Amino acid sequence: DTAVSQTPKYLVTQMGNDKSIKCEQNLGHDTMYWYKQDSKKFLKIMFSYNNKELIINETVPNRFSPKSPDKAHLNLHINSLELGDSAVYFCASSRQGLGNTIYFGEGSWLTVV
Amino acid sequence: GESVGLHLPTLSVQEGDNSIINCAYSNSASDYFIWYKQESGKGPQFIIDIRSNMDKRQGQRVTVLLNKTVKHLSLQIAATQPGDSAVYFCAENPTGNTPLVFGKGTRLSVIA
Repeated sequence: DTAVSQTPKYLVTQMGNDKSIKCEQNLGHDTMYWYKQDSKKFLKIMFSYNNKELIINETVPNRFSPKSPDKAHLNLHINSLELGDSAVYFCASSRQGLGNTIYFGEGSWLTVV
Repeated sequence: GESVGLHLPTLSVQEGDNSIINCAYSNSASDYFIWYKQESGKGPQFIIDIRSNMDKRQGQRVTVLLNKTVKHLSLQIAATQPGDSAVYFCAENPTGNTPLVFGKGTRLSVIA
């Protein structure tokens, strides 16, 4: 009965590779997010989708491309991975509209070597 | 820019004592605040929230206090337990249709 689930939980990959992280929510929410958490635990929003439409696109390298096939799914694809991409990536969702309570997944630990 | 900050980056408390985690926010227009708990290896979890028309809200062993005059938010945990050890984040909603802004987090360590 996981509310927001993301896979994989751990990912170790080499520089230059392309990888994807998948996310699904079963809360019936309309808005989904990707956050990046650095080593100092700071949470930074990357993207937000509402009903499959991109509504937030923060200053993120265009190597990062989110895709929302439907409102319950928001995947994150990263091209040409760099060392600095190493972080924890959290998927999240909320009721329609920004500013509502956000519910997070368990995180995906990405290590680029 | 607007930001949410924390006074104490780390806090150590004895098991059974009460804990107080503080948060200063800078946007006086913020009308909704949330506290999250992030345990090691997990995602942030919702603990309690409060709207700007309230000063205090209580949950199970937790109380959130909001002082709009000085733009200060606090989370009080009663009878702190080892399971309370985590990083705690405050978050605010600056305006109606913007994403939540998260503070930098406070690590709470409970000493048995």
